[in-house]
Amino acid sequence: QVHLVESGGGVVQPGRPLRLSCAASGFDFNNFGMHWVRQAPGKGLEWVAAISNDAHNKYYGDSVKGRFTISRDNSRNTLYLQMNSLRPEDTAIYYCAKDLLRFLGPAFDVWGHGTMVIVSS
Amino acid sequence: SSELTQDPAVSVALGQTVRITCQGDSLRSFYASWYQQKPRQAPVVVIYAKDKRPAGISDRFSGSSSGNTASLTITGAQAEDEADYFCNSRDSSGYHYVFGTGTKVTVL
Repeated sequence: QVHLVESGGGVVQPGRPLRLSCAASGFDFNNFGMHWVRQAPGKGLEWVAAISNDAHNKYYGDSVKGRFTISRDNSRNTLYLQMNSLRPEDTAIYYCAKDLLRFLGPAFDVWGHGTMVIVSS
Repeated sequence: SSELTQDPAVSVALGQTVRITCQGDSLRSFYASWYQQKPRQAPVVVIYAKDKRPAGISDRFSGSSSGNTASLTITGAQAEDEADYFCNSRDSSGYHYVFGTGTKVTVL
């Protein structure tokens, strides 16, 4: 069964870093692109970042570019999101999601349950 | 970047049909996908590449597109279809994704 399990969320002060992880199982992780999507409390979905199956291509949403870094370890079937210079507006549930293809596919077909990040002093 | 606009809320009587629309310039170049999200749950894709339905998704859900507008139709709506629905597509650059503003569907 295909599973994505996020971890690493919590409460962090503004300006501090945090790293999220997403453990994948049940599919050939190194054959699919991956994404991070977030959802602020009571708000809609916001695409955050994407990485190709081989990690050679990475793209970021405008609101996080230059502060967040997406990466993956295919030997560990794990996706990461390094978040630096966090701001209160980064407070959200962070979901990892599997791409239908190796990169820039037409949909995110598997989602994790999400991990909550709260940026507050 | 591009924007995708949806009506905030729609309601449908049990067993009737409802259409949700998503408008944006990027839809002239890229197909939309649609995600259903129930309270305190992760989103689930119900339609992708304009009109393809993933395995396990009810055939009550169908998709279409014309010009700058994508549509999700729920035919014979059931109580379990009550949820938030978000469209998604690549933006005009082709390298980013954008979600629609979301539509809350209430089944009466």
